[in-house]
Amino acid sequence: DQQVKQNSPSLSVQEGRISILNCDYTNSMFDYFLWYKKYPAEGPTFLISISSIKDKNEDGRFTVFLNKSAKHLSLHIVPSQPGDSAVYFCAASSQGNLIFGKGTKLSVKP
Amino acid sequence: KAGVTQTPRYLIKTRGQQVTLSCSPISGHRSVSWYQQTPGQGLQFLFEYFSETQRNKGNFPGRFSGRQFSNSRSEMNVSTLELGDSALYLCASSLAPTSSIYFGEGSWLTVV
Repeated sequence: DQQVKQNSPSLSVQEGRISILNCDYTNSMFDYFLWYKKYPAEGPTFLISISSIKDKNEDGRFTVFLNKSAKHLSLHIVPSQPGDSAVYFCAASSQGNLIFGKGTKLSVKP
Repeated sequence: KAGVTQTPRYLIKTRGQQVTLSCSPISGHRSVSWYQQTPGQGLQFLFEYFSETQRNKGNFPGRFSGRQFSNSRSEMNVSTLELGDSALYLCASSLAPTSSIYFGEGSWLTVV
């Protein structure tokens, strides 16, 4: 059973608009959440994270929102740029054990 | 500062063979973890090592094993390869088990 789910395998957005990537989890013991971006033929790179004691973390164009009661987190990218086109992985951590979602492929069209 | 280095980058093996993949973490990082990425399953955790000790293990058969050396470099081994083992194997390192992890570019394994 998947503990971390990214239900949208793909998302297409126009350049300049907002991209919203969603992630749901089932384990209430998760205390740290991360987003990674992955380009083809490269390893994932860390994007942004949030601790379970917060509900929002912002870094430039990237904002992560955490709704603990709904066990849901989302990544907002504003404004979206063509270079943001990649696969985005949500990950959740409990005592150092990192569980990844299957990823969402974001395509930002010029 | 050099990133996480994985070797080899690409390799082709035959069913039944075994393979060893190598990972050199970022200098100063003592925690190394391994992941398998396939199109159908996404990123799946294999195992994590810290100070030469396996701390966590994912849900993979015993054919998958690993180790970490005193210089924090790590190897993973897959024995009796199956076609389904074809995947991108990613290594990640961090300062400590609960710190943010940084990935290498991965080793592409094809089993024929």
